[in-house]
Amino acid sequence: AQSVTQPDIHITVSEGASLELRCNYSYGATPYLFWYVQSPGQGLQLLLKYFSGDTLVQGIKGFEAEFKRSQSSFNLRKPSVHWSDAAEYFCAVAPGGYNKLIFGAGTRLAVHP
Amino acid sequence: EAGVVQSPRYKIIEKKQPVAFWCNPISGHNTLYWYRQNLGQGPELLIRYENEEAVDDSQLPKDRFSAERLKGVDSTLKIQPAELGDSAVYLCASSLEGTSGGAGFFGPGTRLTVL
Repeated sequence: AQSVTQPDIHITVSEGASLELRCNYSYGATPYLFWYVQSPGQGLQLLLKYFSGDTLVQGIKGFEAEFKRSQSSFNLRKPSVHWSDAAEYFCAVAPGGYNKLIFGAGTRLAVHP
Repeated sequence: EAGVVQSPRYKIIEKKQPVAFWCNPISGHNTLYWYRQNLGQGPELLIRYENEEAVDDSQLPKDRFSAERLKGVDSTLKIQPAELGDSAVYLCASSLEGTSGGAGFFGPGTRLTVL
């Protein structure tokens, strides 16, 4: 069965520090891959997505993610974190041919001033 | 452009009572999804509509949950009767078929508490 693993439940970084959130998926082929952010009381907002092509994907709010087929990973990165980035981040996959998302359990990001 | 609208935003009910959630998708979006998000978890798909047809309801607990999307626009998700384990956030999302690969624009959700 398809699954998404986000190994880090909670991460704390200092403002201005770099960030990497990990995501691994289990699927026989390359699925569509997504990162969403959810702020308290807000809906999920799409940060970026990967369908095919260049494995380094740029998203909104200065985020990027890199798809690594050999590691079945799609890690999210940001070079310099802002206090407003504190939120919960979800990695999701859409197995090819299926128009639905399978989400990981999320990583909660805290940012220290 | 307005986003996905959901109401109510919060609902508290006693167990065994019925409850209904309403969703108005983004104008022109023919695909509509209902997800359930339990505390500390990622959302899980309950049902997906293409226009007015439910094309994936494999995860919908059909003994107590029902959904409809009349005229292929607004949708209602109902639980009858509610159980304690139904406490969660119910998210609605919408997208244009064939353009999103499964991703959708999400509404703010309805937080249900069953006492």
